[in-house]
Amino acid sequence: AAGVIQSPRHLIKEKRETATLKCYPIPRHDTVYWYQQGPGQDPQFLISFYEKMQSDKGSIPDRFSAQQFSDYHSELNMSSLELGDSALYFCASSLESPNSPLHFGNGTRLTVT
Amino acid sequence: QKEVEQDPGPLSVPEGAIVSLNCTYSNSAFQYFMWYRQYSRKGPELLMYTYSSGNKEDGRFTAQVDKSSKYISLFIRDSQPSDSATYLCAMNAGSARQLTFGSGTQLTVLP
Repeated sequence: AAGVIQSPRHLIKEKRETATLKCYPIPRHDTVYWYQQGPGQDPQFLISFYEKMQSDKGSIPDRFSAQQFSDYHSELNMSSLELGDSALYFCASSLESPNSPLHFGNGTRLTVT
Repeated sequence: QKEVEQDPGPLSVPEGAIVSLNCTYSNSAFQYFMWYRQYSRKGPELLMYTYSSGNKEDGRFTAQVDKSSKYISLFIRDSQPSDSATYLCAMNAGSARQLTFGSGTQLTVLP
């Protein structure tokens, strides 16, 4: 079965640079979520989109922005990168229905040097 | 205090053992409960999903929810070395779709 696809798998950036992470949800899933997982930490919710509109916002820094496109893929844009942004970034997708579980991709590992 | 508390582990058991993983929560609005398995450098993989009190079984895995006590458990029977991973409980309220995770329990099943 098709899963959530994220790209790139690994990304190395320098401080103050920008990064763009991409997420392709499971076919027919209309809701996308972004999570950040630091070393040894549980995933922290950043932001979610339903039908191309932001639906919920978590602990996403103002330096980050995201959007969902007409084909339901999503991009997380990160600017003025800081060392503390180094983490695993996961995308998850689901149907909008409240009883539809979230399915996660394998993440993008961002390293800021 | 975190909304979801998970037994931190790490947990090490011999192959074939029954494993019990547990989480408690404080937010009575939580309605949907999930268990994810995460291997190193991989994304969380959905194992079990339930929204009612009681037991749900899927192969070697049984998820148990007790809403009155705000307590959920995952039981793994006949544990295998391939079950070695970090297990995360997660839950959400119906109106808010983002998940709140426990801190994870690292499990090692020794052959």
